[in-house]
Amino acid sequence: AQSVTQLGSHVSVSEGALVLLRCNYSSSVPPYLFWYVQYPNQGLQLLLKYTSAATLVKGINGFEAEFKKSETSFHLTKPSAHMSDAAEYFCAVRGHGSSNTGKLIFGQGTTLQVKP
Amino acid sequence: DSGVTQTPKHLITATGQRVTLRCSPRSGDLSVYWYQQSLDQGLQFLIQYYNGEERAKGNILERFSAQQFPDLHSELNLSSLELGDSALYFCASSEGPARATDTQYFGPGTRLTVL
Repeated sequence: AQSVTQLGSHVSVSEGALVLLRCNYSSSVPPYLFWYVQYPNQGLQLLLKYTSAATLVKGINGFEAEFKKSETSFHLTKPSAHMSDAAEYFCAVRGHGSSNTGKLIFGQGTTLQVKP
Repeated sequence: DSGVTQTPKHLITATGQRVTLRCSPRSGDLSVYWYQQSLDQGLQFLIQYYNGEERAKGNILERFSAQQFPDLHSELNLSSLELGDSALYFCASSEGPARATDTQYFGPGTRLTVL
């Protein structure tokens, strides 16, 4: 069974500081991995996705994530936090191959707080 | 704006009642997914339809059902509602059923409150 674990339900950083949100996955098949962001009272917006091409994936709003198979990780980073980055972030996994469905399995989410 | 629309935005109803949530996918998308977001369960996949056919089922209760119509819009029907069904229900759509290039675009959600 596939799953993702997000380490830390709340992360607080100062404006301008590095953002690091952690995600570890478990999958019996090569995974597709995603990061979504949810702003208050809104739906989920895709930040970036890994689909077995380059291991370093660049997304929107200056975010990037690196797929590390040896560590089963897909951590999200941004060099310099902005106040507008305050939101909830979700890591998700989807298998491919024989599963033949696009369903996403989400982690519990990490709330990012950005302090001025 | 993702291009996925959901109605209504808010729904308040009583226990035992039945409600219908509606979703219109992005133009050109054939897959529709339903997810439930609650404080205790997080974001959970309920069901996927692709071009009118059920594709995958997740932790969807028997009291819940869904369908996708020929015009590709989808409805999620929740019946015999319980307090624990209070949640945010998201619809997402993608072009294909499960290709690597498929990205799921999420609607703004329907917030269901069962009193």
